[in-house]
Amino acid sequence: AQKVTQAQTEISVVEKEDVTLDCVYETRDTTYYLFWYKQPPSGELVFLIRRNSFDEQNEISGRYSWNFQKSTSSFNFTITASQVVDSAVYFCALSDKYNFNKFYFGSGTKLNVKP
Amino acid sequence: DAGITQSPRHKVTETGTPVTLRCHQTENHRYMYWYRQDPGHGLRLIHYSYGVKDTDKGEVSDGYSVSRSKTEDFLLTLESATSSQTSVYFCAISERTNTGELFFGEGSRLTVL
Repeated sequence: AQKVTQAQTEISVVEKEDVTLDCVYETRDTTYYLFWYKQPPSGELVFLIRRNSFDEQNEISGRYSWNFQKSTSSFNFTITASQVVDSAVYFCALSDKYNFNKFYFGSGTKLNVKP
Repeated sequence: DAGITQSPRHKVTETGTPVTLRCHQTENHRYMYWYRQDPGHGLRLIHYSYGVKDTDKGEVSDGYSVSRSKTEDFLLTLESATSSQTSVYFCAISERTNTGELFFGEGSRLTVL
């Protein structure tokens, strides 16, 4: 069965610290997509990144980077030099390429960045 | 931003009453979804649609029904609301299935007393 685990319920850091949000997934599929979404205090869900199962290259976008390791079924998200505006709940999600209805979210990690 | 509007944004109702939440999109995307968000559970899929009048159940569909008579509208109905259906409901849309990227509405907060 598909499952996403975000073991860190809440993390607090001080501004400018680096922080890594963990995501571990379970799937029997060989083809799938992984995602990160951000939910700021205003409540909307914002797409951050998509990664398919055949692409294990790490990705960097500004202060954000993602480390995808199939060997450990992990898709971790690192924020470098965190800022107060990064405070949000972050969700990791897993979908199946052929069954679009199978979109599974982790329970989320709440990140508090203090000035 | 994707053109997705949910209504109502906030609703308080009593147990046993019917409730309908509406999702309206202006993107002409084929696929539409209803999720609920609860503490400790993240988002869970309730129902989804892959075209006009084509819908199917998700992970937590009991107690909910949906309808899609037009491409742009996807309705979620609670026939007889229960307190366990107190939640924040998100509508999402996607253009294709081979990327899985979802665009979400602002959410509708429902409280069932």
